[in-house]
Amino acid sequence: SQKIEQNSEALNIQEGKTATLTCNYTNYSPAYLQWYRQDPGRGPVFLLLIRENEKEKRKERLKVTFDTTLKQSLFHITASQPADSATYLCALGLLSGNTPLVFGKGTRLSVIA
Amino acid sequence: GAGVSQSPRYKVTKRGQDVALRCDPISGHVSLYWYRQALGQGPEFLTYFNYEAQQDKSGLPNDRFSAERPEGSISTLTIQRTEQRDSAMYRCASSPPPGTSGISARGEQFFGPGTRLTVL
Repeated sequence: SQKIEQNSEALNIQEGKTATLTCNYTNYSPAYLQWYRQDPGRGPVFLLLIRENEKEKRKERLKVTFDTTLKQSLFHITASQPADSATYLCALGLLSGNTPLVFGKGTRLSVIA
Repeated sequence: GAGVSQSPRYKVTKRGQDVALRCDPISGHVSLYWYRQALGQGPEFLTYFNYEAQQDKSGLPNDRFSAERPEGSISTLTIQRTEQRDSAMYRCASSPPPGTSGISARGEQFFGPGTRLTVL
C-alpha cells in the first residue's frame, strides 16, 4: 500500500542545535517533494520544494535532501530558535506542475530555550 | 496582497442539513484545491480545479460531497445531508500558473485559514 511517514510525532531540541526531520514514502514515485510549516490554528505555509532529480536544496537556515533510491527526504533547521517551534509537514507532488499533494501527518517540533 | 480566504471560519450544523463552504483564491491563481484536515493529521485531498474545470474529484468521500468553480475564481464545496463524521477542518489552497517566476515555486500551494465544520 502507499504510505508517507514522518519519523516522529514530536521532536524536542535545544535552541542552537540542528533539528532533523525525516519523511519516508512507500509505493510512490513523486515528481517533487515539498515541506510546509503549520502553526496552531493556521493553514500550512510553503517552505521548500525539491525535485526528483535534485539531491539537496537550501534556503537560509533550512536544508532539504531527497534520496529517491531510499525514498526519503531529510529536513534540517540549523541554529534552531524557539520561533521555529511548529508542525512541519512533508508533501509529495506526484506529477509535475500544479497537482494535488499527498501529505504526511507532520512532526511537531519544539525548540527549547 | 490578499491571501486565500475562506468563509465561514466556523460552521456548526445539525445532522442532515446541507452546508456550503466558500473559498476565494489569490487573484490570478489558476489552480484551486480542497483538502480536509483532521486533528493531528496532514491535509487530505478532496478535489481540485484548473480554472473552472474540475480535474480530479477522486478524494471526495461520497456523493454527498460536491464542488464547483463556475467562473474559475471562487469555489464552493457543498456537503449534503451532513453526518457527524463530516466534522473536520476544510482547507482550500490555490496555486499560480506553472512556471510562474518570482517567489513562488512550481507546485507551491497557498493555503487559506480553513473552515471548522462541526456536525451535531
